[in-house]
Amino acid sequence: GDSVTQMEGPVTLSEEAFLTINCTYTATGYPSLFWYVQYPGEGLQLLLKATKADDKGSNKGFEATYRKETTSFHLEKGSVQVSDSAVYFCALSGDGNNRLAFGKGNQVVVIP
Amino acid sequence: GAGVSQTPSNKVTEKGKYVELRCDPISGHTALYWYRQSLGQGPEFLIYFQGTGAADDSGLPNDRFFAVRPEGSVSTLKIQRTERGDSAVYLCASSLIPTTHLYNEQFFGPGTRLTVL
Repeated sequence: GDSVTQMEGPVTLSEEAFLTINCTYTATGYPSLFWYVQYPGEGLQLLLKATKADDKGSNKGFEATYRKETTSFHLEKGSVQVSDSAVYFCALSGDGNNRLAFGKGNQVVVIP
Repeated sequence: GAGVSQTPSNKVTEKGKYVELRCDPISGHTALYWYRQSLGQGPEFLIYFQGTGAADDSGLPNDRFFAVRPEGSVSTLKIQRTERGDSAVYLCASSLIPTTHLYNEQFFGPGTRLTVL
């Protein structure tokens, strides 16, 4: 079945550092790919999306490119802020169904 | 406008008891989803409604779990004979229309934290 794998462990970095969170997926057909973010005390929010190969999703300085050849959708931000501290989830919606499959999430802590 | 709301925000119950968790989707959203998020994990799909009917219940773990959406709006997730392993945050999401080939933005509620003692 469809699945998403995120890199293990929390990520701690200093303000203005470069952030990368790896995400790879397994799916048949042509899934849509998403990054969701969960800020402390808040619900899951869609951060960005990409619906076909080579699409780049972007929002709030974050970017991710849908790479079908490597089945990846890595999240990047060039200069993080303390306010980016949150849990980030990679997810996919498989071709022909409506349910989201999520990765385990990565806690990101940005230190001033 | 109002987002997805879920009640209660916290529920503590004893093993073997019956619980109901409620979800109010965004007005006008025809699709509604339930997910379960265990500690340290991502949300796992349980069931999806299109209107009043359950279009996909393949994620329900066993027959102790049941969900309804009788009028195509509010949904209730029902868990019978609760077990300690049912402890988790239960998330509800809704979307305007279900899509299979376009992006499928689901708007999530804050969740109900269920603790089974």
